[in-house]
Amino acid sequence: AQTVTQSQPEMSVQEAETVTLSCTYDTSESDYYLFWYKQPPSRQMILVIRQEAYKQQNATENRFSVNFQKAAKSFSLKISDSQLGDAAMYFCCCRNFGNEKLTFGTGTRLTIIP
Amino acid sequence: DSGVTQTPKHLITATGQRVTLRCSPRSGDLSVYWYQQSLDQGLQFLIQYYNGEERAKGNILERFSAQQFPDLHSELNLSSLELGDSALYFCASSSAGTPMQYFGPGTRLTVT
Repeated sequence: AQTVTQSQPEMSVQEAETVTLSCTYDTSESDYYLFWYKQPPSRQMILVIRQEAYKQQNATENRFSVNFQKAAKSFSLKISDSQLGDAAMYFCCCRNFGNEKLTFGTGTRLTIIP
Repeated sequence: DSGVTQTPKHLITATGQRVTLRCSPRSGDLSVYWYQQSLDQGLQFLIQYYNGEERAKGNILERFSAQQFPDLHSELNLSSLELGDSALYFCASSSAGTPMQYFGPGTRLTVT
């Protein structure tokens, strides 16, 4: 079974600054995917970024990047140049290669301070 | 807009009743997933269908059932509803060979 832990229920950051959201996971599989999803007040779940466990290079999508530490089972999300539209709940999740279900963490609520 | 549609957006019903939630996946996606988001349980996987066949089951109650039709839309049926079933129900879809799941806007179910 997989577990995903997000230890920061809430975070805040000044607009234009950088913030890092933490995530740790536990899985017995060697091949898996990791994702960050964003859920703004509209409640829509929006895929932010993904990382394949077999890739050593950290994924980057514009202002969003991850720090993937496979041995430590850590997958943090860095948001650079924070914008007001980044305010949302952020969920870290994991799925194994052979099982397509997503296992989610409890989320981190990110507030952007103007 | 993810391309996944869900109807209705909101549903209010009484305990003991039965409801059906509908999902249309993105064009070409064969897999449909259902997730429940509640305050006490968080986001939980319920069930997956692939091209009409059930592929995986998660924490889905026996009072709940789902199916995927030949046109690939899916329905989640919830019966004998209880107050604790109040939640946001998401449908997601993915295409074969890709790991990403794209979520619909969700159906908010309120059981009174």
